Amino acid sequence: SQQGEEDPQALSIQEGENATMNCSYKTSINNLQWYRQNSGRGLVHLILIRSNEREKHSGRLRVTLDTSKKSSSLLITASRAADTASYFCATGFGGYQKVTFGIGTKLQVIP
Amino acid sequence: DVKVTQSSRYLVKRTGEKVFLECVQDMDHENMFWYRQDPGLGLRLIYFSYDVKMKEKGDIPEGYSVSREKKERFSLILESASTNQTSMYLCASSPRDRGDYGYTFGSGTRLTVV
Repeated sequence: SQQGEEDPQALSIQEGENATMNCSYKTSINNLQWYRQNSGRGLVHLILIRSNEREKHSGRLRVTLDTSKKSSSLLITASRAADTASYFCATGFGGYQKVTFGIGTKLQVIP
Repeated sequence: DVKVTQSSRYLVKRTGEKVFLECVQDMDHENMFWYRQDPGLGLRLIYFSYDVKMKEKGDIPEGYSVSREKKERFSLILESASTNQTSMYLCASSPRDRGDYGYTFGSGTRLTVV
């Protein structure tokens, strides 16, 4: 069962613009993670934010977490054509570091 | 430097065949996972293992089994392949006691059952 839901499902922007993707989830979590998937490949872990954190940065990525609203956002600043990919949020909960993935946002960055 | 290796990128099998998908990781991770990914459905957890010879069912275990005889290897078995098991299969691993550590994925195996 999907825990997280990404919004929008698809996003098309010009190179240099910022891209914002949102994720909503339903139950309490230990952490929330974002992954990128290039076409037909495996997923790459981008960033993890713990439930007691509100914001985290990594290079051009900025993630926020609002546990009261059960939502997170991923901001990619100054996007590049190489950022074209699908982005998934994943909520970590319970033991064994299990995570549940959303359906993803497909981002297209036009050169 | 590939850290999670899935044995095949593409696989075509016939209905009724027994299919083995192999996954090997070199990071000494305790946890290993098998997901399948389908358009519009995202990633769904089939099975996971948190130690050698241990396994737990995920959300969609029907029609699948797993084997973990060694820490680094986690195999997914389709006992009798069916066309509805045509999918992308993704293996992942993570360390047990690192709650701030994400998954490392393999490149995936695209299985077609004809």
